[in-house]
Amino acid sequence: AQSVAQPEDQVNVAEGNPLTVKCTYSVSGNPYLFWYVQYPNRGLQFLLKYITGDNLVKGSYGFEAEFNKSQTSFHLKKPSALVSDSALYFCALEGGTGFQKLVFGTGTRLLVSP
Amino acid sequence: DTEVTQTPKHLVMGMTNKKSLKCEQHMGHRAMYWYKQKAKKPPELMFVYSYEKLSINESVPSRFSPECPNSSLLNLHLHALQPEDSALYLCASRPGQGTNEQFFGPGTRLTVL
Repeated sequence: AQSVAQPEDQVNVAEGNPLTVKCTYSVSGNPYLFWYVQYPNRGLQFLLKYITGDNLVKGSYGFEAEFNKSQTSFHLKKPSALVSDSALYFCALEGGTGFQKLVFGTGTRLLVSP
Repeated sequence: DTEVTQTPKHLVMGMTNKKSLKCEQHMGHRAMYWYKQKAKKPPELMFVYSYEKLSINESVPSRFSPECPNSSLLNLHLHALQPEDSALYLCASRPGQGTNEQFFGPGTRLTVL
């Protein structure tokens, strides 16, 4: 069965510093991987996705993610964090036998301090 | 129009009430989803409609009843809910099966008293 792990409940970073939010996955076959962000009392906003091709994916708001098949990872990165990036981030997987289902990680709260 | 809308934003209901949540999209998407999300947890899939037909029911209790009257509209009918059903209910849509991301609505915050 497919699964997604986000090992950190919270990531703290100072504004202007680079940030990384970690995600690893498990699936049979090729994964479709997504990152979503959720602000308080709001729905999820799509940031970026990896389907195939270039392992470095660029997305919205300056975020990017690197797909690493050997390490089964899809870490989210940003070169310079903003206070407004503080939110809850979800990594999600679609693949294996369930092409209509998104399997979410448990989420990582990102806190960017001024 | 590139968004998913949900009404109402907030809903408080008693355990004997009947209410409905509404979700609408005008992007021509053919797959629509209902999720339930508890605080600080990931969304949990409830139902998937594909081309207006129910294709996935994640063993959701019958007190939740989905309906897809047309390709733009998705309803979730609620009856005899329990306090533990209090949560944020999210609707999402996407063009169809394939590699596309899901577009989420802002959610309905449901409180069951």
